[in-house]
Amino acid sequence: DAMVIQNPRYQVTQFGKPVTLSCSQTLNHNVMYWYQQKSSQAPKLLFHYYDKDFNNEADTPDNFQSRRPNTSFCFLDIRSPGLGDAAMYLCATSKIAGGNTEAFFGQGTRLTVV
Amino acid sequence: GESVGLHLPTLSVQEGDNSIINCAYSNSASDYFIWYKQESGKGPQFIIDIRSNMDKRQGQRVTVLLNKTVKHLSLQIAATQPGDSAVYFCAENSYSGAGSYQLTFGKGTKLSVIP
Repeated sequence: DAMVIQNPRYQVTQFGKPVTLSCSQTLNHNVMYWYQQKSSQAPKLLFHYYDKDFNNEADTPDNFQSRRPNTSFCFLDIRSPGLGDAAMYLCATSKIAGGNTEAFFGQGTRLTVV
Repeated sequence: GESVGLHLPTLSVQEGDNSIINCAYSNSASDYFIWYKQESGKGPQFIIDIRSNMDKRQGQRVTVLLNKTVKHLSLQIAATQPGDSAVYFCAENSYSGAGSYQLTFGKGTKLSVIP
């Protein structure tokens, strides 16, 4: 009974070809996060939505964009993937933006750039 | 800048022994901490959390200790089992401005259980 669902689990894209990763949640949580995780590293926050408010991390490249058309869905768009963008991309949700609430993670999408 | 880090990148323990994974944090304003377990190819899985008004919290076979004086967290796993083999991350929930919070992860410790 997955609560945060990421599709696809594995994605192969060509260098420079736009790619979209998707995330959906059944928890009705306010906040949705996108993290990038490279091999043997900690997840790094790219951006998050608090309801419809978008919060971008200062060091997130412009190549990465996000959309949240409704509460349940959030998309990560990589406009021109480079070889350095190959990573696991994790979506997470939490009930509120503040305080003592855990984040629930999806299983991730592993992106390969060829 | 503020960061959350781990002292030991790898830890090998004998099955049945207790494991202790450590984490140092630098943001003294953080008031909520979480330990996550991540198995290979999967997303992080919540293990246990602790609020800053506590110094200890126990779950099933796991205990988290918080020492605010030295900004240190630890995760103790009792009677470690092969299924505990994974990477463990501590994470810190901190205010990032404009009513928003973010979850910042430490580097991670890889726990290997020797049968």
